[in-house]
Amino acid sequence: DIQMTQSPSSLSASVGDTVVITCRASEDVRIYLAWFQQKPGKPPKSLIFASSSMQRGVPSRFSGSGSGTDFTLTISSLQPEDFATYYCQQYLHSPYNFGQGTELEIK
Amino acid sequence: EVQLVESGGGLAKPGGSLRLSCAASGFTFSLFSMNWVRQAPGKGLEWVSTISTSGKDIYYAASVKGRFTLSRDNAKNSVYLQMNSLRAEDTGVYYCLRTMDVWGQGTTVIVSS
Repeated sequence: DIQMTQSPSSLSASVGDTVVITCRASEDVRIYLAWFQQKPGKPPKSLIFASSSMQRGVPSRFSGSGSGTDFTLTISSLQPEDFATYYCQQYLHSPYNFGQGTELEIK
Repeated sequence: EVQLVESGGGLAKPGGSLRLSCAASGFTFSLFSMNWVRQAPGKGLEWVSTISTSGKDIYYAASVKGRFTLSRDNAKNSVYLQMNSLRAEDTGVYYCLRTMDVWGQGTTVIVSS
């Protein structure tokens, strides 16, 4: 099974900051990597697929990059609504495991 | 509007069964693979199962394999998750997901005696 490891597990930042969340796969997943955002009590929201392709309606301050085993989600100029938990998921090989999540908190 | 609506959650006893449904609307259902993802209280997301467009290919997480059965009815724009031999650790919110983009609101499953 492919294991997904996110870092950091939690992160404090201020409005206007730029943050980077990392996702590492235990083996090559090419670009079959997605990112999701979840706020408390809400279903997840899809942000990025195929490592760097934005879902419709996602603000341009979100960007994804990487291939193989190392991926990043960058959020530029943080807005108050961006404070949430973020998950990566590989979808190359079943089981399509998620990372453990990164909680982004307001400093 | 693209929409997924889950139903069928509730309270079940250990060893019991539940059948979750996910009704899709606003898109050509038969063109998309579909998934179930769950989230235990206070925990992260866990992939449960995926079904291909035709229903021919189905994949399960090891934690549910042999107990859960995923199926779809393209004529009814619906996907179903039959959950048998339920355990306490199956408790959580179950989300239906159109592969990689659209999520439902979730349905809550509680397994408790």
